[in-house]
Amino acid sequence: DTGVSQDPRHKITKRGQNVTFRCDPISEHNRLYWYRQTLGQGPEFLTYFQNEAQLEKSRLLSDRFSAERPKGSFSTLEIQRTEQGDSAMYLCASSLTATDTQYFGPGTRLTVL
Amino acid sequence: AQRVTQPEKLLSVFKGAPVELKCNYSYSGSPELFWYVQYSRQRLQLLLRHISRESIKGFTADLNKGETSFHLKKPFAQEEDSAMYYCAHGSSNTGKLIFGQGTTLQVKP
Repeated sequence: DTGVSQDPRHKITKRGQNVTFRCDPISEHNRLYWYRQTLGQGPEFLTYFQNEAQLEKSRLLSDRFSAERPKGSFSTLEIQRTEQGDSAMYLCASSLTATDTQYFGPGTRLTVL
Repeated sequence: AQRVTQPEKLLSVFKGAPVELKCNYSYSGSPELFWYVQYSRQRLQLLLRHISRESIKGFTADLNKGETSFHLKKPFAQEEDSAMYYCAHGSSNTGKLIFGQGTTLQVKP
């Protein structure tokens, strides 16, 4: 197991396009978290899953954002009608339980032109 | 609202000097506090958490509930300590992390 992986690593898109990111957590990790990080800031929580259930969404997650974890394994984060303000690093993390260490992926850097 | 504050964006020290990275939190209850580190071109990783009370790579952090602080300290900085350091508060129920803005530690030779 090589840890949490994310795909793609970089994405450049035009304003108004839809994008989808994928996160593969560490095997058997029940918890999966999405964070967003903009330049000069720490990561900000977006949403998390326990197995396939999405249990909390941040107010940062507008209606244009949707996340899924259909079989309790990998997760996808989709952004519809991208805006320039969506440009950021999107981080995924996984853990066994709520109190266990979260292991982060390398992130997907999104640039919206 | 829960908040984590790291007042310094950049801390620059010489090799061998003591280091203290400041972190203050606002939370009522028993806090779960962490320090995460991101070395150049690497992913974010856990450095230490207050529950374990262990020293990692010579770093320690003591929770001071009276001052609501969780400062990260190392007596003698090494060049390989140069990185971005984030203090974070975690929810014991959900696990979600609230991060500070981060402090860049630069250790000069």
